[in-house]
Amino acid sequence: KQEVTQIPAALSVPEGENLVLNCSFTDSAIYNLQWFRQDPGKGLTSLLLIQSSQREQTSGRLNASLDKSSGRSTLYIAASQPGDSATYLCAVKDGGGTSYGKLTFGQGTILTVHP
Amino acid sequence: NAGVTQTPKFQVLKTGQSMTLQCAQDMNHNSMYWYRQDPGMGLRLIYYSASEGTTDKGEVPNGYNVSRLNKREFSLRLESAAPSQTSVYFCASSEARYEQFFGPGTRLTVL
Repeated sequence: KQEVTQIPAALSVPEGENLVLNCSFTDSAIYNLQWFRQDPGKGLTSLLLIQSSQREQTSGRLNASLDKSSGRSTLYIAASQPGDSATYLCAVKDGGGTSYGKLTFGQGTILTVHP
Repeated sequence: NAGVTQTPKFQVLKTGQSMTLQCAQDMNHNSMYWYRQDPGMGLRLIYYSASEGTTDKGEVPNGYNVSRLNKREFSLRLESAAPSQTSVYFCASSEARYEQFFGPGTRLTVL
């Protein structure tokens, strides 16, 4: 059974810092990995999707990397801003069988960026 | 282009009552999903529909039923609500195994 772990559980940084959020998964036979952002009381917003054949994806100040063989992904946020404060969720989609389309989520990292 | 929409946004039920959560997407996606989010448990898949006309159980299907009404709509029904079903419910859609897009959620309390 796939298990996804996110470290740290919470992170508080001053504005302007570069930061790294970590995600690890137990079964490397994944189809893709997706990073989401969730604001309090809101739904999930997709940030980046990395296919299993890719090593990284970039969107603005965000960069996500994937090392499938070691079961790890990182989300790098450059020059953090107070508006980046949210919960960041990592989710993996398994490669096949009866788990078609199923996402397995980590518990999330609660990020606070203070002015 | 509204993406994924869910109704209602909030609902309070008494134990034993029934209700249906509605979900619709306008992205012409084949696949749709229902998740629940609970503190300490994260998001867990309840049911999914890989394509119109098919539905399959996810990780926590007990106490729920689903209907894929057409390509756009996927509903989740609680036949006899229990306090353990108090949760936030999210609907999502995707094109096959690609990026999933989520709705705003339904916050359900069962007393």
